Amino acid sequence: DAGVIQSPRHEVTEMGQEVTLRCKPISGHDYLFWYRQTMMRGLELLIYFNNNVPIDDSGMPEDRFSAKMPNASFSTLKIQPSEPRDSAVYFCASSFGTDEKLFFGSGTQLSVL
Amino acid sequence: QKEVEQDPGPLSVPEGAIVSLNCTYSNSAFQYFMWYRQYSRKGPELLMYTYSSGNKEDGRFTAQVDKSSKYISLFIRDSQPSDSATYLCAIDANFGNEKLTFGTGTRLTIIP
Repeated sequence: DAGVIQSPRHEVTEMGQEVTLRCKPISGHDYLFWYRQTMMRGLELLIYFNNNVPIDDSGMPEDRFSAKMPNASFSTLKIQPSEPRDSAVYFCASSFGTDEKLFFGSGTQLSVL
Repeated sequence: QKEVEQDPGPLSVPEGAIVSLNCTYSNSAFQYFMWYRQYSRKGPELLMYTYSSGNKEDGRFTAQVDKSSKYISLFIRDSQPSDSATYLCAIDANFGNEKLTFGTGTRLTIIP
């Protein structure tokens, strides 16, 4: 398997624009997690899905953030409108079962100017 | 107070040295302790995990947990340049990925 695949690797946008981050989990994994990583706050869980259903979105910072998982092989994280404080690295991760090894993608480096 | 505290470094040591990386935590309910390694421009990958107090060894890596002090450590023996990465501790009360609490990471550089 190619692992968890995220796109784009880098995204530079202007404040107020919509940003969509994409993730393809490892085939067969039933849990998908979205994280955000910053120097100050480290790695924070934003939302996670089980069998394509959002289970806990309490980590989503504001209503400007939304996430979907229309099928088992694809998920998106959308920020609308984006703000400079959203600049961070966003990671997608998947696992087979909640207590099994977590596999991370290579992340999307987001810069909002 | 953060639930998990980790010195961000950076930490630079010569090749072959023993490296000690540490985290402290505040919640005594935490029972599962993990170390992740993150190379530059990559996602974290699980290195080791342990449940109980004491030591767990895997090759050149040893994870140590002291629940009484709420202190966990990762030791790297015979450090190699390929060990240069950011190391994150992760702690959980119920061993479920949805409740992992990560440290901010310590950036380590091994100097050849």
